Amino acid sequence: RKEVEQDPGPFNVPEGATVAFNCTYSNSASQSFFWYRQDCRKEPKLLMSVYSSGNEDGRFTAQLNRASQYISLLIRDSKLSDSATYLCVGTNFGNEKLTFGTGTRLTIIP
Amino acid sequence: DGGITQSPKYLFRKEGQNVTLSCEQNLNHDAMYWYRQDPGQGLRLIYYSQIVNDFQKGDIAEGYSVSREKKESFPLTVTSAQKNPTAFYLCASSLGGGRWNNEQFFGPGTRLTVL
Repeated sequence: RKEVEQDPGPFNVPEGATVAFNCTYSNSASQSFFWYRQDCRKEPKLLMSVYSSGNEDGRFTAQLNRASQYISLLIRDSKLSDSATYLCVGTNFGNEKLTFGTGTRLTIIP
Repeated sequence: DGGITQSPKYLFRKEGQNVTLSCEQNLNHDAMYWYRQDPGQGLRLIYYSQIVNDFQKGDIAEGYSVSREKKESFPLTVTSAQKNPTAFYLCASSLGGGRWNNEQFFGPGTRLTVL
């Protein structure tokens, strides 16, 4: 079983809709989680950090469920510019290393 | 401007040649990392360094070597022993020190193609 698992998609969503991704992790010692956004042929960029139960930033909400070992990302009022691959990331014990999921590809349709 | 730079952006190499990828950061971060990304796969850790003059192997270190002589610099050498070196190589840095807020920030990447 992979340490961090994501539905690869693709998710094709109409503009203005709400979309949610889930990500499961197997390492119960993981302390911190992150969502990164990666555009085609570009580097990943940090979208949100999740340290406790969740985090909210504008249209983006991340929630962490330690009991069920999953993290979710909710995007409200989706924009064309939200089209990208979203990477779910967890840390190892000691927070030295990150473990990346393979990403969920999102396309917002006009 | 603070950030991470990688050079070159594109690199072509003949089979059997060693090549060194540059990574520099001016964020005063202690920790630096090298990943490779292949199509359809997540980022895989090659090497990482928590402090100057120290580094550890990641999950796929075979065929690669690194050095960390300066805090700002963490070059990666792809040797001829690496069986399938064509990939997108990403360098990252973070505050390190096992902090709980250990977000990593990435450079723009180097695309290496072996001809």
